[in-house]
Amino acid sequence: GQQVMQIPQYQHVQEGEDFTTYCNSSTTLSNIQWYKQRPGGHPVFLIQLVKSGEVKKQKRLTFQFGEAKKNSSLHITATQTTDVGTYFCAGPGGYQKVTFGTGTKLQVIP
Amino acid sequence: DGGITQSPKYLFRKEGQNVTLSCEQNLNHDAMYWYRQDPGQGLRLIYYSQIVNDFQKGDIAEGYSVSREKKESFPLTVTSAQKNPTAFYLCASSRQGNIGKETQYFGPGTRLLVL
Repeated sequence: GQQVMQIPQYQHVQEGEDFTTYCNSSTTLSNIQWYKQRPGGHPVFLIQLVKSGEVKKQKRLTFQFGEAKKNSSLHITATQTTDVGTYFCAGPGGYQKVTFGTGTKLQVIP
Repeated sequence: DGGITQSPKYLFRKEGQNVTLSCEQNLNHDAMYWYRQDPGQGLRLIYYSQIVNDFQKGDIAEGYSVSREKKESFPLTVTSAQKNPTAFYLCASSRQGNIGKETQYFGPGTRLLVL
């Protein structure tokens, strides 16, 4: 079945440093979504990418969808303590369901 | 105020006991989902439903059961057949349409602990 892997699994950064998480699918995706889960909370939708090579920005967050539509990345510029949490990518995972990636847990050291 | 509610927030299960987790949404969404999250892990799909009175098994359905008698409600029962039920359970909903392209809205979750 489809697998969606994310790297790294964990990342500790000093506040102000940049952060990137990568999402890789074993199959081509029609679209990819990104979610953020704060510690003790539930996942919250951030963005969806649909087009090959698409790049979208949300303030300090930059999302990219690969040309082959099998990988994606999330880059945060100048991290803040409010960025702490686990970031998940998600893509269509077969008949009418979604497969979530393994997640990257971000810790920001003040 | 629209959203998804889950209850209880914490639930304790004894050996051999069935427990039911509640999930209600007032977003008028057709599709609803149940996920299980283990510590430090991603989300694994248990069951999902695209329409009332219909549901499909996800990737880890064994030991769980669901019903979808009303559009707003999608309760999950953790049966005694589920040998390792301790986890964080998340319910989500989305519009119908092309599932996988619709945004999923999550409830606050239920933490299930086995005594």
